[in-house]
Amino acid sequence: DAGITQSPRHKVTETGTPVTLRCHQTENHRYMYWYRQDPGHGLRLIHYSYGVKDTDKGEVSDGYSVSRSKTEDFLLTLESATSSQTSVYFCAISESVDYEQYFGPGTRLTVT
Amino acid sequence: AQTVTQSQPEMSVQEAETVTLSCTYDTSENNYYLFWYKQPPSRQMILVIRQEAYKQQNATENRFSVNFQKAAKSFSLKISDSQLGDTAMYFCAFMKVDSNYQLIWGAGTKLIIKP
Repeated sequence: DAGITQSPRHKVTETGTPVTLRCHQTENHRYMYWYRQDPGHGLRLIHYSYGVKDTDKGEVSDGYSVSRSKTEDFLLTLESATSSQTSVYFCAISESVDYEQYFGPGTRLTVT
Repeated sequence: AQTVTQSQPEMSVQEAETVTLSCTYDTSENNYYLFWYKQPPSRQMILVIRQEAYKQQNATENRFSVNFQKAAKSFSLKISDSQLGDTAMYFCAFMKVDSNYQLIWGAGTKLIIKP
């Protein structure tokens, strides 16, 4: 299994509070991605990174920001959490060799 | 923009039967990849099979095979001799080459294998 961890695995927070989710990899892969998964929508890309300090927006980036100061860490921040951001968040990594994305175990976030 | 459609929200079959999951996509690109991922109740996303658009031969991985119809923009997954462990959500995904390896996902099909 690819070495990808996400923390925390579960979080309950209140509307209006900031939240940061962490993705950590030990594979030294260049590309990292944050997705959210909601029923009926599959996975939707929030932001991705193609190198240290190189990031770009995905399909559903409003209300989210990211940072990548080291190859192994990709942080997703909800500046002011809203109930619509209640979801399961997945981190994935990829290297150009085989095009496969490897996924972390997911973080279940509930905003009350 | 590319889109991926999985028209079967849920399917169920008996153990040992063969089942086919449908996926269609819309793109004007000629060079791309298609994927099927599996998500069991554990929530872990697992790659099942991958198809390069430039290859005419359909990909196979043990009991899993695809029927790739490029002109029809169809990419179905066939699972032979289904097993209880195949119970999962199955997602079809599209990747355009030179897109920073971004995946566009279908909504998923919930597959239940009955004993």
